[in-house]
Amino acid sequence: NAGVTQTPKFRVLKTGQSMTLLCAQDMNHEYMYWYRQDPGMGLRLIHYSVGEGTTAKGEVPDGYNVSRLKKQNFLLGLESAAPSQTSVYFCASSYSTEGDEQFFGPGTRLTVL
Amino acid sequence: RKEVEQDPGPFNVPEGATVAFNCTYSNSASQSFFWYRQDCRKEPKLLMSVYSSGNEDGRFTAQLNRASQYISLLIRDSKLSDSATYLCVGDSGGYQKVTFGIGTKLQVIP
Repeated sequence: NAGVTQTPKFRVLKTGQSMTLLCAQDMNHEYMYWYRQDPGMGLRLIHYSVGEGTTAKGEVPDGYNVSRLKKQNFLLGLESAAPSQTSVYFCASSYSTEGDEQFFGPGTRLTVL
Repeated sequence: RKEVEQDPGPFNVPEGATVAFNCTYSNSASQSFFWYRQDCRKEPKLLMSVYSSGNEDGRFTAQLNRASQYISLLIRDSKLSDSATYLCVGDSGGYQKVTFGIGTKLQVIP
């Protein structure tokens, strides 16, 4: 099993460009999450999904959109990138509830110039 | 006020020392708590869950104090390989998500 994978691993964007980050899990998990991690701020939840076809806003959703068309995939989109979105983005999944262990992908390092 | 608060450290301790971290939470409805470990430039990984009765795994012991709303992590006989950031996590009390603390950085010194 690959666990949770993320693509790409690194990306540099110019202000105003758009991109999509892909998260895939092969553990048949219901819950999936997108976090961003910044120095001094810890992990902050952007959006999450509790099942295929459902998404919800987290703590810092502005400037991001998500989709969960297939159970195993969770996409994070930046429509118009801003320098404030420079961060490390982690995807995670868990079996069925918030009380379950979260498995994280290796992260995507995004720089917006 | 953040839902989960931790001292970011760093805690610099010699090999073989015992070190303890505390983490406070503000949501009294939270039921599930965890400690995750994150190595530099890596993803977080579950270290251990925290149960009401306490939880011990080798050199690591986690405790939950509901009355004072804090959880703790005790590391005995510290190893160089324990150097990492330790993240405290609490659930949202039924809102399908969890909140991570900022993390406490531990550096074990030879």
